[in-house]
Amino acid sequence: AQTVTQSQPEMSVQEAETVTLSCTYDTSESDYYLFWYKQPPSRQMILVIRQEAYKQQNATENRFSVNFQKAAKSFSLKISDSQLGDAAMYFCAYRNYFNNDMRFGAGTRLTVKP
Amino acid sequence: DVKVTQSSRYLVKRTGEKVFLECVQDMDHENMFWYRQDPGLGLRLIYFSYDVKMKEKGDIPEGYSVSREKKERFSLILESASTNQTSMYLCASRGMGYEQYFGPGTRLTVT
Repeated sequence: AQTVTQSQPEMSVQEAETVTLSCTYDTSESDYYLFWYKQPPSRQMILVIRQEAYKQQNATENRFSVNFQKAAKSFSLKISDSQLGDAAMYFCAYRNYFNNDMRFGAGTRLTVKP
Repeated sequence: DVKVTQSSRYLVKRTGEKVFLECVQDMDHENMFWYRQDPGLGLRLIYFSYDVKMKEKGDIPEGYSVSREKKERFSLILESASTNQTSMYLCASRGMGYEQYFGPGTRLTVT
């Protein structure tokens, strides 16, 4: 079974600085998606960014970017110019193209200091 | 905007009670999911449904059942609530695309 590991239960960053959240996963499949989801204190999870495994180019969404290392099975999230609104739980997730279920890591709680 | 709603934000039930958690989505999505979220464990899949009246067990189905009589509604049922089912419950839906949309969650406390 696929597993997703987030080794940093908590991280903090100064406002306007850059922070990187780590994620590793284990799979024998070659076709899959990877995601980062954000869960603010109000609890509604929203998608931050996704990466298709076949794409070599790292995904970018405004201040959010990923470092996807397929061979190392690593998928880190970089947040640039951190804002107070970035404070949340961040979950890394994996889904095989052909399966319905998504696997989540344990989450990283990000604190942004003013 | 896709909207996934859950019937309650907070719920307090007694041990042994039958509990219904309701989830409704408004985007005609085929797939719907129920997760349980616990600190340090992330989200764990309880059940999912890929069509009306169809259901599949996830990783932790014991003590739960589900019902999907209409495409837009997916219910999670705790037949006899126990204290170890105190948790946050998240519903999600997904169409044919990649993105999964989540509801706001129900914080269930069983006393």
